[in-house]
Amino acid sequence: QQQVKQSPQSLIVQKGGISIINCAYENTAFDYFPWYQQFPGKGPALLIAIRPDVSEKKEGRFTISFNKSAKQFSLHIMDSQPGDSATYFCAATAILTLLSGGYNKLIFGAGTRLAVHP
Amino acid sequence: DTGVSQDPRHKITKRGQNVTFRCDPISEHNRLYWYRQTLGQGPEFLTYFQNEAQLEKSRLLSDRFSAERPKGSFSTLEIQRTEQGDSAMYLCASSPGAGTGGHEQYFGPGTRLTVT
Repeated sequence: QQQVKQSPQSLIVQKGGISIINCAYENTAFDYFPWYQQFPGKGPALLIAIRPDVSEKKEGRFTISFNKSAKQFSLHIMDSQPGDSATYFCAATAILTLLSGGYNKLIFGAGTRLAVHP
Repeated sequence: DTGVSQDPRHKITKRGQNVTFRCDPISEHNRLYWYRQTLGQGPEFLTYFQNEAQLEKSRLLSDRFSAERPKGSFSTLEIQRTEQGDSAMYLCASSPGAGTGGHEQYFGPGTRLTVT
């Protein structure tokens, strides 16, 4: 129940195209879903995150779509650029436990290696 | 740079040796996390501190691993009698723990450990 399944494992997109990465979770207690971007040799960088009270969140070229009933969420990168080539990780946690004095360890997907070709 | 910093960035050690890594979180972040990332995988949670108190340890953290956060500031992760299976990227993250965005975790650059 703690797993987050991510697909595809790798993705090749042409410059200007749309990159779509999907994630699914089982634990209905999860209520915070961030996406991280990681370049080789670097730590993950927080990209965008969503709570289940909304179905979509957009920040610049990055959009998260969230389907609570299906327990799925996805990252869309519009107008993909070669500089977007990196590994993307979805994650999930239960921040309500944080609000009640708990913690919020992140459960990560296995990652998607994105290559944007010029 | 006011982000999370980790030292060293790379460590090569021989099997059986002890190693220690340091993490300096973002100033005033009272929550600190250690994760381990192996090649081609997402980070896996190891342990969590709230201020100086270590509140959870993953089953991944064997008896050879110990972490501290004295005075609630920087943290150290020590691995004793290293094994080849310990080779990984060790990531540190911190979060404010309160207020808007209190749950957002910010990662450091990681320490790449290679055990030969």
